[in-house]
Amino acid sequence: EIVMTQSPATLSVSPGERATLSCRASQSVSSNLAWYQQKPGQAPRLLIYGASTRATGIPARFSGSGSGTEFTLTISSLQSEDFAVYYCQQYNNWPPSLTFGGGTKVEIK
Amino acid sequence: QVQLQESGPGLVKPSGTLSLTCAVSGGSISSSNWWSWVRQPPGKGLEWIGEIYHSGSTNYNPSLKSRVTISVDKSKNQFSLKLSSVTAADTAVYYCARFMYDILTGYYMDVWGKGTTVTVSS
Repeated sequence: EIVMTQSPATLSVSPGERATLSCRASQSVSSNLAWYQQKPGQAPRLLIYGASTRATGIPARFSGSGSGTEFTLTISSLQSEDFAVYYCQQYNNWPPSLTFGGGTKVEIK
Repeated sequence: QVQLQESGPGLVKPSGTLSLTCAVSGGSISSSNWWSWVRQPPGKGLEWIGEIYHSGSTNYNPSLKSRVTISVDKSKNQFSLKLSSVTAADTAVYYCARFMYDILTGYYMDVWGKGTTVTVSS
């Protein structure tokens, strides 16, 4: 099973500042990496797929990068609505399996 | 646009079987997508349970495979989850989601249901 490790577990950021979240895979997942945002009491929302493609309706301040085993989600200027938990996710074709990272909580500093 | 809605009992007894259904609206379950179940224990992260294609092909999380069955009912445009021999550790919010499976654009869940809470307790 491919293990996804996210860091840091918690990130304290002031509104307007830049946030950089990391996700590491235990083996190469190529660019098969997605990012989700989850707010309390809500379902996850897709932000990024294919490591760097923004999903429909996602603001340009969200960007994804990386390939292989190292990935980054960057929020260029944090808005109040961006404080949430962020998860990365990979999918392996064979054997078929999907795993999430443990999440990074972005909180107000 | 496609919307998903989970339904099922909110309370299941230990050793019993958890049964949930996900109704698909605004689109056909027979489209070229897979359909997934994901769960989230209280205060914890996300765990993939498994997925199904409208043909009936399935893939399951190896850690749950012996207890999970996912099925599809094309006539009702819905898919279902059964998890047997449940314990308190299966208490979670259960989500259904549309899984985009594309070798060019990647593999990801773009539409999610709101989730349903299932508690395992006597």
